[in-house]
Amino acid sequence: DIQMTQSPASLSASLEEIVTITCQASQDIGNWLAWYQQKPGKSPQLLIYDASSLHTGVPSRFSGSGSGTQYSLKISRLQVEDPGIYYCLQGYSAYTFGAGTKLELK
Amino acid sequence: VQLVESGGGLVQPGKSLKLSCSASGFTFSSYGMHWIRQAPGKGLDWVAYISSSSGTVYADAVKGRFTISRDNAKNTLYLQLNSLKSEDTAIYYCAVLGSSYWGQGVMVTVSS
Repeated sequence: DIQMTQSPASLSASLEEIVTITCQASQDIGNWLAWYQQKPGKSPQLLIYDASSLHTGVPSRFSGSGSGTQYSLKISRLQVEDPGIYYCLQGYSAYTFGAGTKLELK
Repeated sequence: VQLVESGGGLVQPGKSLKLSCSASGFTFSSYGMHWIRQAPGKGLDWVAYISSSSGTVYADAVKGRFTISRDNAKNTLYLQLNSLKSEDTAIYYCAVLGSSYWGQGVMVTVSS
């Protein structure tokens, strides 16, 4: 089974700050990587798919990058609506979510 | 697009439950479908996938106990949960992951 190690587990950042969340896969996942945002009491929403493709309607301040086993999600200028829990998901072999990153505003 | 789960509830350990997910607003038969769960206060946990042609994949934690199926004529996805354990307690979501269609989730509580 492919394991996904996501970091950090939590972070606090200021408005307009750059935020980066990373996921490391236990083996090469060939860019089969998605990022989701979940807000309290809500279903998760897709942000990025295929490691770097922006899902329809997602603000351009969100971007994804990476290859092989290392992937990252970057929020270029943190906005008031961005706090929540962020998850990576690999879909190369079955599916595995990362443990999540709780993002808060400082 | 709407995905509406039903069939959750309180069930004793070792018992069974069947979840349903009614889909509308898209061509259900053309899409692979997932079940994902989230234990109270915990992260997302992928459970099972069924392709448009009914091929299936399961997480190790549920393999042999859960069965995913679909009825394209009824636009409905199912998850049969057998031999339930306390650690299966969670909100269960149906989803089309690639298109970010998610249901609101249904709670399953396994407790004596």
